[in-house]
Amino acid sequence: DTAVSQTPKYLVTQMGNDKSIKCEQNLGHDTMYWYKQDSKKFLKIMFSYNNKELIINETVPNRFSPKSPDKAHLNLHINSLELGDSAVYFCASSQDKGWEELFFGEGSRLTVL
Amino acid sequence: AQSVTQPDIHITVSEGASLELRCNYSYGATPYLFWYVQSPGQGLQLLLKYFSGDTLVQGIKGFEAEFKRSQSSFNLRKPSVHWSDAAEYFCAVNTDKLIFGTGTRLQVFP
Repeated sequence: DTAVSQTPKYLVTQMGNDKSIKCEQNLGHDTMYWYKQDSKKFLKIMFSYNNKELIINETVPNRFSPKSPDKAHLNLHINSLELGDSAVYFCASSQDKGWEELFFGEGSRLTVL
Repeated sequence: AQSVTQPDIHITVSEGASLELRCNYSYGATPYLFWYVQSPGQGLQLLLKYFSGDTLVQGIKGFEAEFKRSQSSFNLRKPSVHWSDAAEYFCAVNTDKLIFGTGTRLQVFP
């Protein structure tokens, strides 16, 4: 009964392809996030949604498009994949806007060849 | 802008030894401070957090951290490390969004 679940866990694809990662949380939280972790383990926030509304949009190429169909789901679609997009993408959720604690999924490792 | 610095990229300790992981933050007011742990192939789990009040906070797995305003630090400690503590540790600060430090990788030798 995973609290924050992401699919797929592993994704290997060619440059130029389009791919999506899905995230669902069953914690009843209002806010969801996407973080990118690079090969040096550095974690950087990409997007945050609160009740389906985009509230954080960091400097991310517009090839990345998040979508939140409801407050329990936040998907990440990536167009025209590049080598530099290879990373582990973490979904997270929190009550309100994250002042207390973020709950993370197990990550989705994307490898672009 | 707020930032978090973890000066130690990699720390190795023997099982049973004490541990201190350093964290310094940069922010004008008192921030909300956190320590998260990431085991290999896993997501991040919250160890402990500081918002206000007692500057020594207790967390899970026997960890504690002390907030020192004068040093802008929030160091993580454990009196006796277990082999299962080997992981990546992240300090984080939350002002309007959660910002992570670069992490410290902890290795534990038997």
